[in-house]
Amino acid sequence: EVQLVESGGGLVKPGGSLRLSCAASGFTFSSYSMNWVRQAPGKGLEWVSSISSSSSYIYYADSVKGRFTISRDNAKNSLYLQMNSLRAEDTAVYYCARDEENGDYFDYWGQGTLVTVSS
Amino acid sequence: EIVLTQSPATLSLSPGERATLSCRASQSVSSYLAWYQQKPGQAPRLLIYDASNRATGIPARFSGSGSGTDFTLTISSLEPEDFAVYYCQQRSNWPPGNTFGQGTKLEIK
Repeated sequence: EVQLVESGGGLVKPGGSLRLSCAASGFTFSSYSMNWVRQAPGKGLEWVSSISSSSSYIYYADSVKGRFTISRDNAKNSLYLQMNSLRAEDTAVYYCARDEENGDYFDYWGQGTLVTVSS
Repeated sequence: EIVLTQSPATLSLSPGERATLSCRASQSVSSYLAWYQQKPGQAPRLLIYDASNRATGIPARFSGSGSGTDFTLTISSLEPEDFAVYYCQQRSNWPPGNTFGQGTKLEIK
């Protein structure tokens, strides 16, 4: 069974940093591109970042470019999101999501971890 | 950047009725469009991919259609568990990224 479990969320002050993790199991993690998608309270879904299976291709939404860094460790079946210079508008539930095999959609999602940026 | 516009924002129907949700793209996305269902407090779930293919385990009452710029998600006969928020999504090669529609809330009438 495919499982994605996020951790690392919490309360952080504006300008602060946080590192999210996503532990994957039940599939060959090193074969799939992975993503972070976020959802502000009461709002819709916003794609944040993607990383290819071997980390060769990395993409970011304009809203986080230069502040967030996605990475992965295939030996540890883990995905990460380093978030720096956090702003109030980064407050959201952050989901880890797997790319489906053809790579155009998100076929499995974690339950999410809440990041709150507030003084 | 492609913009996805969903309508209506809210749809009020009763169990057993047919639901028709729309997603319009600002430029053609061919058939590269997906639909997701999200219930309160839960992660989204993939329902439909490539505009009309049901994902694994999705009941046959869910169907998708369309191509180019106009897409429809149809639920043939609503079950109580179908009341949720539905999002469409597409992936672009340039600029690389993903776009979601703003969502349609399907509520019990």
